[in-house]
Amino acid sequence: ETGVTQSPTHLIKTRGQQVTLRCSSQSGHNTVSWYQQALGQGPQFIFQYYREEENGRGNFPPRFSGLQFPNYSSELNVNALELDDSALYLCASRQRQNTGELFFGEGSRLTVL
Amino acid sequence: AQTVTQSQPEMSVQEAETVTLSCTYDTSESDYYLFWYKQPPSRQMILVIRQEAYKQQNATENRFSVNFQKAAKSFSLKISDSQLGDAAMYFCAYRSANNNNDMRFGAGTRLTVKP
Repeated sequence: ETGVTQSPTHLIKTRGQQVTLRCSSQSGHNTVSWYQQALGQGPQFIFQYYREEENGRGNFPPRFSGLQFPNYSSELNVNALELDDSALYLCASRQRQNTGELFFGEGSRLTVL
Repeated sequence: AQTVTQSQPEMSVQEAETVTLSCTYDTSESDYYLFWYKQPPSRQMILVIRQEAYKQQNATENRFSVNFQKAAKSFSLKISDSQLGDAAMYFCAYRSANNNNDMRFGAGTRLTVKP
């Protein structure tokens, strides 16, 4: 069973640029969610995708957008990067009908200069 | 809105001893899940233990157990026989049984294990 994988693991961008982060969900999982974890804080929910549609969103501006593909993999796109976007971005997947547990990847560490 | 509070930013325990991490949450729902996740320096969040709100019996996983007090909205984690590998950030998390709902995390507790 393949777990959740994310790429890239680390990246550095400058303010105003755009970034795309990628996630492959765990085998058999059809729901993917993204979280932002600032240094020293708990993860904050960005959005969730099911059947290629966004079906839940946290308190993040529209410049945070995403996609889910037919194979359930997902992308997180952030436009017009700001310094405060520097964080660890975690992808998590689950089977829609399960006991609520999320399975996480190792995250993508984004630094915005 | 549901909130999760971890009041202990840092905790320390001697190897082989027992430590309890605290967590409280706020919700008006009756059907939900509670979790403790461990995040080592490798960054990957690893599930430690899970509790369904409808179950009165406290969950146990080997050296890890919880004290779930639904009326008090409290969900503490007890680690027995602490090991050096237990050192990590521990996050308490809440998730509604509604499939569309996100998982809410506390701010975390950094656990140090002293040899």
